[in-house]
Amino acid sequence: KAGVTQTPRYLIKTRGQQVTLSCSPISGHRSVSWYQQTPGQGLQFLFEYFSETQRNKGNFPGRFSGRQFSNSRSEMNVSTLELGDSALYLCASSLGQDRETQYFGPGTRLLVL
Amino acid sequence: AQKITQTQPGMFVQEKEAVTLDCTYDTSDPSYGLFWYKQPSSGEMIFLIYQGSYDQQNATEGRYSLNFQKARKSANLVISASQLGDSAMYFCAMREGDDAGKSTFGDGTTLTVKP
Repeated sequence: KAGVTQTPRYLIKTRGQQVTLSCSPISGHRSVSWYQQTPGQGLQFLFEYFSETQRNKGNFPGRFSGRQFSNSRSEMNVSTLELGDSALYLCASSLGQDRETQYFGPGTRLLVL
Repeated sequence: AQKITQTQPGMFVQEKEAVTLDCTYDTSDPSYGLFWYKQPSSGEMIFLIYQGSYDQQNATEGRYSLNFQKARKSANLVISASQLGDSAMYFCAMREGDDAGKSTFGDGTTLTVKP
């Protein structure tokens, strides 16, 4: 079974721009969660989508948004990029049940200049 | 208070020896899951092992085992017969009850395996 895929793998943007990241979950998985990883803050939960609905949201500003499509693929958008948004963005997929294992993709490294 | 605490920022181990990575957690939920992930320098988070709060036995997966001490709220990862490829960052994580897709991670431990 193919794993979680994320595109693009690397991205360079300038302040003020917007960016869209994509995540394709493992086949059959309906839950996609997004995390931001930085050296200073570690791994922080952004939001989770299940069956095209946002079920949970972390403590991030409204510039961070997402959506999920009927095939469970998910996109994450960051508008008006700031230098502090430079990070590794990881998505994780699971069936959608409580306390089950999440499987992660390779991540997208975003650099904001 | 931090929910997941990993007190060892860095650890060294000789190749072929065993190593224990510490993890303590804090939750009032009786139902939770504990996970360990490995993150090589490439960035991908690789799932290693899972322990459920109601599991009676410690989890094992190949060279990985989890030393689960529920009363002490600890879930230490034991890697036996270390290999050079085990050098990576290791994260302990927890999912609680009705968490709707959210895992909480510790700060991680960087493991270096010496030849």
